[in-house]
Amino acid sequence: NAGVMQNPRHLVRRRGQEARLRCSPMKGHSHVYWYRQLPEEGLKFMVYLQKENIIDESGMPKERFSAEFPKEGPSILRIQQVVRGDSAAYFCASSLIKSVTEAFFGQGTRLTVV
Amino acid sequence: QQQVKQSPQSLIVQKGGISIINCAYENTAFDYFPWYQQFPGKGPALLIAIRPDVSEKKEGRFTISFNKSAKQFSLHIMDSQPGDSATYFCAASNTNAGKSTFGDGTTLTVKP
Repeated sequence: NAGVMQNPRHLVRRRGQEARLRCSPMKGHSHVYWYRQLPEEGLKFMVYLQKENIIDESGMPKERFSAEFPKEGPSILRIQQVVRGDSAAYFCASSLIKSVTEAFFGQGTRLTVV
Repeated sequence: QQQVKQSPQSLIVQKGGISIINCAYENTAFDYFPWYQQFPGKGPALLIAIRPDVSEKKEGRFTISFNKSAKQFSLHIMDSQPGDSATYFCAASNTNAGKSTFGDGTTLTVKP
């Protein structure tokens, strides 16, 4: 039973390019949460999705960031026109039900913008 | 406005000693308080968690103490080992909202 899988593990993008981060939840999990971790800081909530629906995007920057969780396939966090300040580790977590008590984290994608 | 404040930022403890990490929260709607352990290059892993209806929870060498009136909770690691060296995050959650608010983390180093 594989855990939460994120890819790529490391991603380097030049300023202005697009970054696509993928998260495959644990088998059977239909709830996905994305968090961002800046260096020397804790995780900051970005967005909570359930299959085909965005439930809570209160932590998402208003511009350039979007997320989806289609009926089939992984959840995607998309960052358009990346800037140096987007450099961070992005983690997703998944859960079987809407429950932070049962959420499991992936190993993260480390985005570096050069 | 930071809703969960964690201290200290870093902590060095001798092997066999007690590590203590503290957190304070503001939002009384929080009803679940987990601690996560994170090793370099890895995602956070749930270590131990508590609900506000109890004042203490112990699992092996790890204990959470919870003070609801003060809105504070702490993690105690007894008999600390070098393998415990990691970054520890406290979090507070409103389980109805389905998301967690994290502290900024404590880097623990246990010296042999």
